[in-house]
Amino acid sequence: SQELEQSPQSLIVQEGKNLTINCTSSKTLYGLYWYKQKYGEGLIFLMMLQKGGEEKSHEKITAKLDEKKQQSSLHITASQPSHAGIYLCGADSGYSTLTFGKGTMLLVSP
Amino acid sequence: DVKVTQSSRYLVKRTGEKVFLECVQDMDHENMFWYRQDPGLGLRLIYFSYDVKMKEKGDIPEGYSVSREKKERFSLILESASTNQTSMYLCATRRLAPNYGYTFGSGTRLTVV
Repeated sequence: SQELEQSPQSLIVQEGKNLTINCTSSKTLYGLYWYKQKYGEGLIFLMMLQKGGEEKSHEKITAKLDEKKQQSSLHITASQPSHAGIYLCGADSGYSTLTFGKGTMLLVSP
Repeated sequence: DVKVTQSSRYLVKRTGEKVFLECVQDMDHENMFWYRQDPGLGLRLIYFSYDVKMKEKGDIPEGYSVSREKKERFSLILESASTNQTSMYLCATRRLAPNYGYTFGSGTRLTVV
């Protein structure tokens, strides 16, 4: 079965700093999804990547899928308190289901 | 705006009780899923359904059952709640088309005492 490993597990950054979260798969990724979760709430869809080398951006968040399609990174530029939360990557794992990483908790300090 | 609605945000039940968690969607999505989320373990798939009256076991179905009598509603049932079923339960839906991810509900935090 496919496994997704996220790093780091948690991260504290000062407001205004950049940061990167990584998601590494044990198998080739055919669809990689990034979600954000506020504590105690559901997951909000951020971006989906499919093609090797693909890069997508939304506001100050950029996600990339490497050429070999086994790793994705999520980069936040000039972090703000609104970026705080748990970031999860998910990958297609058959029967229309997604497998998720365990998440990266981001705290943004003033 | 598409919606996945979970009936309760917080729920407290006693050990041995039969518990129903309801999930309703208004998007006409074919696929529906139930996950539980626990610290250090991430999201784990309990059951999913790709059509009315159809169900498939996920990774951790023990102690749970599901019902999908109508396309828009997917219920998770804890036949006899136990303390190790204290968790955050998340419902999700997915359209049967390529390149579509999940849409999640807001979650139900269940505590079994």
